[in-house]
Amino acid sequence: TQLLEQSPQFLSIQEGENLTVYCNSSSVFSSLQWYRQEPGEGPVLLVTVVTGGEVKKLKRLTFQFGDARKDSSLHITAAQPGDTGLYLCGWGSGSRLTFGEGTQLTVNP
Amino acid sequence: NAGVTQTPKFRILKIGQSMTLQCTQDMNHNYMYWYRQDPGMGLKLIYYSVGAGITDKGEVPNGYNVSRSTTEDFPLRLELAAPSQTSVYFCASSYVAGTNGYTFGSGTRLTVV
Repeated sequence: TQLLEQSPQFLSIQEGENLTVYCNSSSVFSSLQWYRQEPGEGPVLLVTVVTGGEVKKLKRLTFQFGDARKDSSLHITAAQPGDTGLYLCGWGSGSRLTFGEGTQLTVNP
Repeated sequence: NAGVTQTPKFRILKIGQSMTLQCTQDMNHNYMYWYRQDPGMGLKLIYYSVGAGITDKGEVPNGYNVSRSTTEDFPLRLELAAPSQTSVYFCASSYVAGTNGYTFGSGTRLTVV
């Protein structure tokens, strides 16, 4: 079973700061998805990356897929309190999606 | 569109009781999933289905059962509830597995006492 490691596990920053969270594996991903989960809600898809070296932007969020497709990062510029939540990466294999343990981000006003 | 609907939102069970968590999707998705999420943790796959009449075990299937008689519905059955099954349960669906995103319900918070 391919394991996904996310880091850091917890991150607390001030509004306006930049941050990066990581998702790593020892094996190659066929594709990777990033989700954000707010308290009391289910995860919501942010992006899917498929091609090694791919970079996708979603407003202040930048997602990068490693060249070897073993790692991915999510960078948030000028974080806002509304970015607070649990960020999960998920790896698709066949019919299944396996998640990492997530990064709990808190952005303080 | 309603998307993925889960009922109930909250439930307290006594040890040994049974219950069914309901999940319905109106997007005509073939793939449906049940996950559990313990506090501060990621999601663990319990069972999944690739279409009506087809189900398969995930990472943590013990103590649960599922059925998929229609495309829309994918109920999760807990038999003989145990405190270890206290968790938040999420149902999800996808049109195609792999690169397509999953749509999640808002979850069922279950406490077994």
